[in-house]
Amino acid sequence: EVQLVESGGGLVQPGGSLRLSCAASGFTFSDYWMHWVRQAPGKGLVWVSRISNDGSNPKYADSVKGRFTISRDNAKNTMDLQMNSLRVEDTALYYCVRESPDRGTYYFDYWGQGTLVTVSS
Amino acid sequence: EIAMTQSPATLSVSPGERATLSCRASQSVSSKLAWYQQKPGQAPRLLIYGASTRATGTPARFSGSGSGTEFTLTISSLQSEDFAVYYCQQYNNWPPLTFGGGTKVEIK
Repeated sequence: EVQLVESGGGLVQPGGSLRLSCAASGFTFSDYWMHWVRQAPGKGLVWVSRISNDGSNPKYADSVKGRFTISRDNAKNTMDLQMNSLRVEDTALYYCVRESPDRGTYYFDYWGQGTLVTVSS
Repeated sequence: EIAMTQSPATLSVSPGERATLSCRASQSVSSKLAWYQQKPGQAPRLLIYGASTRATGTPARFSGSGSGTEFTLTISSLQSEDFAVYYCQQYNNWPPLTFGGGTKVEIK
């Protein structure tokens, strides 16, 4: 059974940092591209970042570029999101998401339950 | 960036009735369109990809259609478990991957 379990969320002040982690199991993690998608309270889904299966060529939404860094450790089956210079508007539930197995089709077939990040003074 | 617009924002439907949800892209996304269902307190779940292909486990009462800029998700006979928020997502031009604002299907 595919499982994606996020951790690391919490309350942080504006300008602060937080590191989110996603632990994957139930599939060959190193075969899949992975993403982070976020959802502000009561709002819709917003794509944040993507990392390829070998950790190369990360991509970011303009709203987080230069502040967030995505990474992965295929030996540990984990993916991280380092979030720096956090803003109030980064407050959201952050989902770890697996991209479809069909290379070049960037839709999401499995989602974690999310970890909540709250940026507030 | 491709903008995705869903309508209506809220759809009130009686159980057993048909529901039709729309998604429009600001430019062509070919058939690279997915639909997700999200119930309160839960993560989204993939329903449809490639505009019309049901994901594993998606009941046959869900069908997707369209290509280019106009897409439709149809639920042929609403069951109690189908009341949820539905999102479309394009994956033709990115970054960024973009989602619609969602359609909430509520009990009439």
